[in-house]
Amino acid sequence: DTEVTQTPKHLVMGMTNKKSLKCEQHMGHRAMYWYKQKAKKPPELMFVYSYEKLSINESVPSRFSPECPNSSLLNLHLHALQPEDSALYLCASSQVGRGRSSNSPLHFGNGTRLTVT
Amino acid sequence: AQKVTQAQTEISVVEKEDVTLDCVYETRDTTYYLFWYKQPPSGELVFLIRRNSFDEQNEISGRYSWNFQKSTSSFNFTITASQVVDSAVYFCALSGLYNFNKFYFGSGTKLNVKP
Repeated sequence: DTEVTQTPKHLVMGMTNKKSLKCEQHMGHRAMYWYKQKAKKPPELMFVYSYEKLSINESVPSRFSPECPNSSLLNLHLHALQPEDSALYLCASSQVGRGRSSNSPLHFGNGTRLTVT
Repeated sequence: AQKVTQAQTEISVVEKEDVTLDCVYETRDTTYYLFWYKQPPSGELVFLIRRNSFDEQNEISGRYSWNFQKSTSSFNFTITASQVVDSAVYFCALSGLYNFNKFYFGSGTKLNVKP
């Protein structure tokens, strides 16, 4: 069983809808991530939160709006999406740290399969 | 620049065969970390192993083994006596010491294990 939980598992939305993806982890990790994955491609980084602050935004369009309400939760608010935004959205978490024994692996959720019609 | 290359797009084997998935990386960092992930059809990426650049010892975990060679910038993954449940896409990834939140993924290798 995954320790990173994402809801919903599937989402179909129209281009004028507003929806949110949710992610929760209880591993005490202080870094949380959103990745987007298209079919037959590797995951593509969108956002990173470190200690609940946005630390990386990979030039993601503003129709995607991340939010980190606390150390366990991560949301991705969606508005006015395009059909090409249809993809698997993966949340991940990791410890934050540097050093020779660090660089914690990512722990992924099962993802939300998003279809924009 | 950080880059990971998985030249094998898709591999098909028959159950009980051994199979090696190749991973070649590029980095200017002297300290870096390499990872392998498995993505079954269900979609979740499952962490398999992390290797630090200063530890070239190979590792074995059950039917899985990893061969890290800094001289050739490779971190290959071998599955011994493959099983149908090993069918998945496998990703190799790299992160650096100072940009530890950025993971550079290879394009993935799809492994089909046929009964």
